[in-house]
Order: sequence, then structure tokens, then C-alpha cells
Amino acid sequence: AQTVTQSQPEMSVQEAETVTLSCTYDTSENNYYLFWYKQPPSRQMILVIRQEAYKQQNATENRFSVNFQKAAKSFSLKISDSQLGDTAMYFCAFMGLASGTYKYIFGTGTRLKVLA
Amino acid sequence: EAGVTQFPSHSVIEKGQTVTLRCDPISGHDNLYWYRRVMGKEIKFLLHFVKESKQDESGMPNNRFLAERTGGTYSTLKVQPAELEDSGVYFCASSQGKGNEKLFFGSGTQLSVL
Repeated sequence: AQTVTQSQPEMSVQEAETVTLSCTYDTSENNYYLFWYKQPPSRQMILVIRQEAYKQQNATENRFSVNFQKAAKSFSLKISDSQLGDTAMYFCAFMGLASGTYKYIFGTGTRLKVLA
Repeated sequence: EAGVTQFPSHSVIEKGQTVTLRCDPISGHDNLYWYRRVMGKEIKFLLHFVKESKQDESGMPNNRFLAERTGGTYSTLKVQPAELEDSGVYFCASSQGKGNEKLFFGSGTQLSVL
């Protein structure tokens, strides 16, 4: 069974600095998707970034980038130039394709606080 | 464009009572998912609808949970009778396409069973 592990329950970072959130996963599949979702205090989760496992190039979305290490099954999220609006819960998620269903497996989340 | 809406936002009930949660996905999204997060734990998959059909209900905890999506539009999740361990935040999400597209989440329903 696939699992997703986020080992940092809480983190903080000073505004304008860089922070990295870690995520590891376990799967026997070769083709899958990985995601980072953000849940601000208002509670609606939104997609931050997505990575297809068959792509070697790390995904980037503005200040957000990932370090995808397929062999190590690691998928960390780097937030550059942190802003107060980045304060949120961040969930790492895995979606495998082998089962034919599109079921997301989420981690336990990392609560990030950006300090002024 | 309206997002995914969930109702109610909060529900407090007593053990043994019945609660029905509702989710309105984004119009045109065939895929609808229910997830649950218990405090401090991971977000757990409950089930996945494709239109009105249950594609995967492997995450439903037991037969006290019943999900429906009549007509392939909105969905309801009924818990009957509710137990203390059912407390948590119930999220609904929808997506278009094959299902590997990004999920659009609702704000969740905070369910407290006393």
C-alpha cells in the first residue's frame, strides 16, 4: 500500500527567507503523480504544485519549486521569498495509476507559519 | 465560476444521531471525492464518484456511512448512527477529465459528535 510521510508537523520561517518542507512516500508503482496542496486558515485547500513521476525535471511555480528524487522517493517543497500569505497547512499527496482509480493518498500535513 | 461548496460548515450532534453532509461540485466535473481528516492525522480517502457511479468506495469506514450522487450532480454523505470517532473535517473535492487533474476542494464540514 502506498504511504505518504511528512515528518515535520510544524515549521516557521522569517518573511522573505526560504523554507523547505519534506515529504517521502512509498510505492511500488513506476508511474504516478505527486502534489503539494495548501490549506490557508480559511480552510479551502488549493493546489500549489504538481509533478509527474516520469518527468525528471523538477516542477516550478513562481516562488514554489520541488526537489523530486524518484529513487529516494522524496518530494520536498521549497518556498522562496516567503510571504505572510504562505502561512498555511501544507499537504503532500500521491496519486498512483496502477489501480485504475484516481485516489489521492495524503500525508499528515506540515503547519507553516511565516513570521513578520 | 462557483467553486466546490459544502453544507453545513459545522455540525454538532450527539452520538446516535444522524447527520447528512452535502457537496456541490464545480459544474461539469464528473469526478467527486469525499475525504476526511481527523485532528492531527492525514486526510483519508473515503470514496470517489464518476458521475453518479461509485468508482471506488474502499475508504468508507463501515456501513454507517452512505454516500449518494443522484443524477451525477451534488452528493450527500450520511452518517447514521454517528459515533464519537466520526468526528473530523469532511472534505469534498471535484475534478474534471480522467481524474488525474488537480482537485478543487470545498471548505469542508467540521463534524463534532458528542
